[in-house]
Amino acid sequence: QITLKESGPTLVKPTQTLTLTCTFSGFSLSNSGVGVGWVRQPPGKALEWLALISWNDDIRYSPSLKSRVTITKDTSKNQVVLTLTNMDPVDTATYYCGHRPPTASGCYFDYWGQGTLVTVSS
Amino acid sequence: DIVMTQSPDSLAVSLGERATINCKSSQSVLYSSNNKNYLTWYQQKPGQPPKLLIYWASTRESGVPDRFTGSGSATDFTLTISSLQAEDVAVYYCQQYYTYPITFGQGTRLEIK
Repeated sequence: QITLKESGPTLVKPTQTLTLTCTFSGFSLSNSGVGVGWVRQPPGKALEWLALISWNDDIRYSPSLKSRVTITKDTSKNQVVLTLTNMDPVDTATYYCGHRPPTASGCYFDYWGQGTLVTVSS
Repeated sequence: DIVMTQSPDSLAVSLGERATINCKSSQSVLYSSNNKNYLTWYQQKPGQPPKLLIYWASTRESGVPDRFTGSGSATDFTLTISSLQAEDVAVYYCQQYYTYPITFGQGTRLEIK
């Protein structure tokens, strides 16, 4: 049974760096083809893909955030960490992590965490 | 980036009736070497994460009721709910994974008439 859970601060100040952790179970990021990614959703708005890290350390970023975002993995801890620098109120959103199945041949998510709402405000 | 445009933005359908949601991509998401369309559909209910319904444009995820059907190819896709149930009230998103950055449609809100 695959589960994912996001954790991190619920409130950050403008210009600060956000660090979110996705802790997962039921799969290993060392398994061929597997990936974990991040998607965010501002309140009442659509989904926006942020980043993906794969089993072989291949990393993809959204070009719109590429200068601010970093994704890393700790396979031994079953964790993926997302950092987003220079936070702004427009970054207020629910942040989700998701499991990319090995059969995806691309990137979609078949399992998602419940999400964590991050508010950016002074 | 591939732009995904859904229509309509919102839709009200009577219980038991058919619901149809459209998704158009700004370029083809059909990969010629394997003849697969790199297109998924998700369902999102209030306060919940998205749920995968359909991948490869027409393959139903395990456990998804067969009243949900995905169709289309290249740039034009459709999600059809054959007989609307109360639990189908949600926002539906299409997403392309043909190329990075992966991109989502703006969502279609489905309600009961």
